[in-house]
Amino acid sequence: GAGVSQSPSNKVTEKGKDVELRCDPISGHTALYWYRQRLGQGLEFLIYFQGNSAPDKSGLPSDRFSAERTGESVSTLTIQRTQQEDSAVYLCASSLGGLRPGANVLTFGAGSRLTVL
Amino acid sequence: QQPVQSPQAVILREGEDAVINCSSSKALYSVHWYRQKHGEAPVFLMILLKGGEQKGHEKISASFNEKKQQSSLYLTASQLSYSGTYFCGTDFQGAQKLVFGQGTRLTINP
Repeated sequence: GAGVSQSPSNKVTEKGKDVELRCDPISGHTALYWYRQRLGQGLEFLIYFQGNSAPDKSGLPSDRFSAERTGESVSTLTIQRTQQEDSAVYLCASSLGGLRPGANVLTFGAGSRLTVL
Repeated sequence: QQPVQSPQAVILREGEDAVINCSSSKALYSVHWYRQKHGEAPVFLMILLKGGEQKGHEKISASFNEKKQQSSLYLTASQLSYSGTYFCGTDFQGAQKLVFGQGTRLTINP
């Protein structure tokens, strides 16, 4: 597509429920990233994919968080047994991918705002 | 490995200049600058590669001092549209992962 699409744009859930957040990257972008932004805070790296593989999962906060990517396209971030501290905007970004200079210039989606009650 | 930005916040009058700094304790490969307006996604401004280069975008320019592992973003004759939070993102040789600083909130008043 023309830009990075994320859904849902807004999700309110109860503590303990599972949620799935979806990201559709720019067509042809082989790299895909997930970041978390708490209210008024910076961009916290979670995970990135090159193709369907995740070379770096170091930012996932706990084993309640997982992500997958299929068809070198859509990615899903799953949060199990949500906690109130999971409330944040989850931003997805994509880039051309590879190790050439500038291949990791990011185009961000509008984000999925998650509120855990 | 998170880069450190300074200052955390800046308040200017329209037409004034500002400098935002980004420094790392680890050798950098490239430095990215993004701007995020309130309620919106971050938008890419420019990338600087090691080698001490400088770049410009409108009246916004940046430098990258490889020896000091530091980048600075210069905003001259600021406009109201420059308001937002500026993030630097850094990566390291052989790695695609981009790690961002905590951000600098820039407020431009008329």
